[in-house]
Amino acid sequence: RKEVEQDPGPFNVPEGATVAFNCTYSNSASQSFFWYRQDCRKEPKLLMSVYSSGNEDGRFTAQLNRASQYISLLIRDSKLSDSATYLCVVNSVGGFKTIFGAGTRLFVKA
Amino acid sequence: ETGVTQTPRHLVMGMTNKKSLKCEQHLGHNAMYWYKQSAKKPLELMFVYSLEERVENNSVPSRFSPECPNSSHLFLHLHTLQPEDSALYLCASSQNREQFFGPGTRLTVL
Repeated sequence: RKEVEQDPGPFNVPEGATVAFNCTYSNSASQSFFWYRQDCRKEPKLLMSVYSSGNEDGRFTAQLNRASQYISLLIRDSKLSDSATYLCVVNSVGGFKTIFGAGTRLFVKA
Repeated sequence: ETGVTQTPRHLVMGMTNKKSLKCEQHLGHNAMYWYKQSAKKPLELMFVYSLEERVENNSVPSRFSPECPNSSHLFLHLHTLQPEDSALYLCASSQNREQFFGPGTRLTVL
């Protein structure tokens, strides 16, 4: 089993749609969780950290379920500029062992 | 714009060459990372330095040799690489949690 698994994608959605990505992790001792986005041939950029209480940043909402070892990202009112690969990232205790998921590709079309 | 810079941005080298990748962070962070991103694979953590000490080394072949002379600079020395080492090499830095990435060096080994 992979340490971090994400929805296979790609997701093809129209502008204005709501789309949800899921991610599961295998190490129950994991401490920190993040979503990054990566545009084609660019470096990953932090989208948001994920907290147990859930957190929201504009159109983006992230949730963490430690009991199920599950992380989610919800994007509302999708924009063309949201087209990218979304990476689920999990840090171990101590924060230095970082595992990236393979990413989920999102295409938002007009 | 990211506070992490990498040089060179592109590098083509033969299998017998020796080259070095350079990373510099201007964010005052205390940890720096090297990652490898191959086509259609997740980012793979290679090395981590915290306060200039190596704290993580993920079974990377000895033909890759990291160096961290101070908290702002990180090098990856390359020698006798193989064609399968062709990839995007990303540097990142962090201060306890979120990592910020440089633009990467796209390496081609002939």
